[in-house]
Amino acid sequence: KQEVTQIPAALSVPEGENLVLNCSFTDSAIYNLQWFRQDPGKGLTSLLLIQSSQREQTSGRLNASLDKSSGRSTLYIAASQPGDSATYLCAVPMDSNYQLIWGAGTKLIIKP
Amino acid sequence: KAGVTQTPRYLIKTRGQQVTLSCSPISGHRSVSWYQQTPGQGLQFLFEYFSETQRNKGNFPGRFSGRQFSNSRSEMNVSTLELGDSALYLCASSLFDGTGELFFGEGSRLTVL
Repeated sequence: KQEVTQIPAALSVPEGENLVLNCSFTDSAIYNLQWFRQDPGKGLTSLLLIQSSQREQTSGRLNASLDKSSGRSTLYIAASQPGDSATYLCAVPMDSNYQLIWGAGTKLIIKP
Repeated sequence: KAGVTQTPRYLIKTRGQQVTLSCSPISGHRSVSWYQQTPGQGLQFLFEYFSETQRNKGNFPGRFSGRQFSNSRSEMNVSTLELGDSALYLCASSLFDGTGELFFGEGSRLTVL
């Protein structure tokens, strides 16, 4: 049974720092891995999608990597800003369908 | 291009009532899935529809049901509401192009009193 874990549960850093969020999964036979952002009381915003054949994806200051053999993905945020404060979630689909298994999220606070 | 639209955004019901939530996917997206988010359980999959057919269902009681219309809009219904049904209900749509990428709406926040 696939399980997704995100550590740490919360992270607080000063503005301007580079940081890494972690996501691990127990079954390496994943179809893809998706990172989302959720602001308080809001829905989910898709940040990056990495296919199983890819090693990383980049969007602006965000870079997500995928290492299936070790069951890990990392989300790297460069030059953090207070606007990056949110909860970041990673998710993988069951088999090849659209039923996602979620991590519990990392709550990120960027201090001005 | 409009995103995923969920209505209503907020609603308050009492135990025993029923509720219907609506989701309009991104234009051209034919797959719609629903998730429940609570502080204690996190995000949990409810069901997924494609071309008006339920393809997958999560581990929720029969009080939770859904459907999809020919225009890909979807509704979910919860009957005989319980206090534990209070949650943020999120709808996601997908182009079903093989990438598996999901796009979410803002959610419907249900409070059961």
